[in-house]
Amino acid sequence: DAGITQSPRHKVTETGTPVTLRCHQTENHRYMYWYRQDPGHGLRLIHYSYGVKDTDKGEVSDGYSVSRSKTEDFLLTLESATSSQTSVYFCAISVPAGKPSYEQYFGPGTRLTVT
Amino acid sequence: GENVEQHPSTLSVQEGDSAVIKCTYSDSASNYFPWYKQELGKGPQLIIDIRSNVGEKKDQRIAVTLNKTAKHFSLHITETQPEDSAVYFCAASLRSNDYKLSFGAGTTVTVRA
Repeated sequence: DAGITQSPRHKVTETGTPVTLRCHQTENHRYMYWYRQDPGHGLRLIHYSYGVKDTDKGEVSDGYSVSRSKTEDFLLTLESATSSQTSVYFCAISVPAGKPSYEQYFGPGTRLTVT
Repeated sequence: GENVEQHPSTLSVQEGDSAVIKCTYSDSASNYFPWYKQELGKGPQLIIDIRSNVGEKKDQRIAVTLNKTAKHFSLHITETQPEDSAVYFCAASLRSNDYKLSFGAGTTVTVRA
């Protein structure tokens, strides 16, 4: 599992409430990512981080923010949850696989339902 | 940005037969192409990958081929077994682009006993 944990694993929340999902890695890898998975869309990148306090947007970043104050933790926040944000959220890390290559590994996911 | 298309969306094969999944990508600068297997309720698992300086790579019953000219790559599973039933995703990445992955929409593979 590449030492990635996500919390919570399941969450039900109401429209308009803020929600924070946590991703934790046991090693100090530089790159971390948040994806969402929806039927028919595969996985789409929301935000990613290339170091502590260094983050950038992905293709579906509207309505989401991220923070990375420690190497091992990457937080995803839904400022005001909407029903369209009902999804399964996956955290990933890029792990060196022989210079200059990396491989990307995924956490177990968080299923979020916005009612 | 990169656009990855994956076909077919569903694939049913008899146990012991081969399965082939095909993906095309749009950005000729992409240079890394991983394949993931996802079982129900779990995160995607990296099963094989190929880089743009290689045309084919094998690992036991799975193989991946890459045609850079045509911008497509394929996953081949031989001698399929029931445990191969899962959703498979292809992806493409630019190493120079912080290793971000663009995914295909996925293929649901069912192996019939």
